[in-house]
Formats: sequence, structure tokens, C-alpha cells
Amino acid sequence: AQSVSQHNHHVILSEAASLELGCNYSYGGTVNLFWYVQYPGQHLQLLLKYFSGDPLVKGIKGFEAEFIKSKFSFNLRKPSVQWSDTAEYFCAVTGFQKLVFGTGTRLLVSP
Amino acid sequence: EAGVVQSPRYKIIEKKQPVAFWCNPISGHNTLYWYRQNLGQGPELLIRYENEEAVDDSQLPKDRFSAERLKGVDSTLKIQPAELGDSAVYLCASGRPGLAGRNEQFFGPGTRLTVL
Repeated sequence: AQSVSQHNHHVILSEAASLELGCNYSYGGTVNLFWYVQYPGQHLQLLLKYFSGDPLVKGIKGFEAEFIKSKFSFNLRKPSVQWSDTAEYFCAVTGFQKLVFGTGTRLLVSP
Repeated sequence: EAGVVQSPRYKIIEKKQPVAFWCNPISGHNTLYWYRQNLGQGPELLIRYENEEAVDDSQLPKDRFSAERLKGVDSTLKIQPAELGDSAVYLCASGRPGLAGRNEQFFGPGTRLTVL
């Protein structure tokens, strides 16, 4: 069965700082990888996804993630965060159909 | 397009009472999911439907939880009787059929259940 680890539970950054959120997964087969975001008071929405091909994936709002197969990682990055990026971020993986989420990382961006 | 609709948004009940949650998926989405999200955790799948068939209910506690999707559209999730540990946010998601595991899931706002 697949599993996902997000090691940073809480991250606090100032505006314009760079962001990297860690995500490691375990699964023996071909994986599909996702980052979802939940802004305060809103529902989960997709930031970006990786299925195959270029391991550097670009998503909405300037986010990107890099799939490193040898490290079983899919870290999320943004070069310069904004106050509006304050949210909870979830990494998720599917093996066959079943989407498994990490525990999430709460990001607080101070103005 | 309209998103996934869930009701109620909040529910407070006493333990041992029954409770039901309703979900209306995005039009045209054959796949429907129910998740439970405990505080400080990511969502965990309870059940997945393909049309009206429950194709994965391995994580559904069947002694007290039940779900149905009779006409392959709306779905209800029921807990009877509720226990204190059932306090959580119950999320519904829907998606189109696609290559295994590649279909994006669209989430509703969730129902926050508090069991006293």
C-alpha cells in the first residue's frame, strides 16, 4: 500500500521568501503524484500533478514541484511567497485509483 | 461549472445519535468519493463509487457506517450510532473516469461533525 510523509507540519515565512515543502512517498509501482491546497475557509483544490514525462511540473499560482524517483520525493516549491499563499498544503499519491494523502503542512506567510 | 455540493456544512449531535451527510457531485462525474479528515490529518478514503457501484469500501467501518448512491448521482453517508471518535470533517469528492489513478478529484466544502 502507498503512503505519504510530509515532514514539515508548520512553516512560517515572510513575504518574498522562498518556499520548499517536503513530500516523500512509498509505493512499489508506478505512481501519480499531486499537491492539493486548502485556503482558509475553502475546500481542497488541485495545485499541480505529475503522471509522467518532465519531472519538473508547474502548477497554478507560480508553484512547481519536482519528482525525484531515486529519492521517492515530490517537493513543492515557490520562489517568492505571498501573504495569499497562507494555506494548508497536502501531498498525495495514487497507485491504482486510491488517493492517499499526507498529513499536510500549514503555511503561514506574514506580510 | 457548479462544484461539489455537500450538506449540512456543520452538524452537532450527541453520541449514539444517527447522522447523515449528503453529496451532489459535479454533473457528468461518474466517480464519487467519501473521505474523513480528522484534525491535523489528511483526508482518508472511506468509500469510492463508480456510478452506483461501491468499488472500494475497504476502509468504511461497516458496523456503524453506511453509504448509498442509488441513481449514480447523489450520495448519502450515514453513521448510526455516532461515537465521540467520529468527530471529523467528512469530505465528498467527484471525478471523471480516466486512466487508473490519474483522474483529478474535485472536493466539496465538507461537513464538520461534532459528536458530544
